[in-house]
Amino acid sequence: QQPVQSPQAVILREGEDAVINCSSSKALYSVHWYRQKHGEAPVFLMILLKGGEQKGHDKISASFNEKKQQSSLYLTASQLSYSGTYFCGTDRPYSGAGSYQLTFGKGTKLSVIP
Amino acid sequence: NAGVTQTPKFQVLKTGQSMTLQCAQDMNHEYMSWYRQDPGMGLRLIHYSVGAGITDQGEVPNGYNVSRSTTEDFPLRLLSAAPSQTSVYFCASSYRGEGDTQYFGPGTRLTVL
Repeated sequence: QQPVQSPQAVILREGEDAVINCSSSKALYSVHWYRQKHGEAPVFLMILLKGGEQKGHDKISASFNEKKQQSSLYLTASQLSYSGTYFCGTDRPYSGAGSYQLTFGKGTKLSVIP
Repeated sequence: NAGVTQTPKFQVLKTGQSMTLQCAQDMNHEYMSWYRQDPGMGLRLIHYSVGAGITDQGEVPNGYNVSRSTTEDFPLRLLSAAPSQTSVYFCASSYRGEGDTQYFGPGTRLTVL
């Protein structure tokens, strides 16, 4: 089941901040964030693991509320290069060989204008 | 390292034809997966593999087959192409699976007429 992202699209001026949300109806092990530019493959930004460990990006931060099964991606002082579609991916707690699945949301299109 | 490679980059098929999309990685990753991306639908998991000889279905497996005979390769087979399979296909790999960074290939844009 796909996680739900909000908003679907957002337009920012350079220097403004944005928050992208991701929520799931199921218990999560980790939340992944990726950015995709038009015509390109998704590129890794960040992983947040259950228990608080975070692996990721210098200029972008995120939070993971395990109890609410929600994550938020924080983009501060946006730059033109931040434009693209942001995807969150969620997985279930690992329960044995062959059971791991990473499921992505439908994406949030972010446009940064001068 | 070449990372994750996919061939071909573009393909046009007629309805009913079969073909194989190739995916290879040189990072010794155990976990590999195939996604399709359609406008407004995000990335949907087709099939995945947690190691050589082990595969399983994702969200949208119908019409596709996979096998994993080596750690490096994970081909996706379209048995009888349909217009509904027109999409961009991405292969991804990671070292372990859960909690690990997924590395995506450049994608294959498939059109079925």
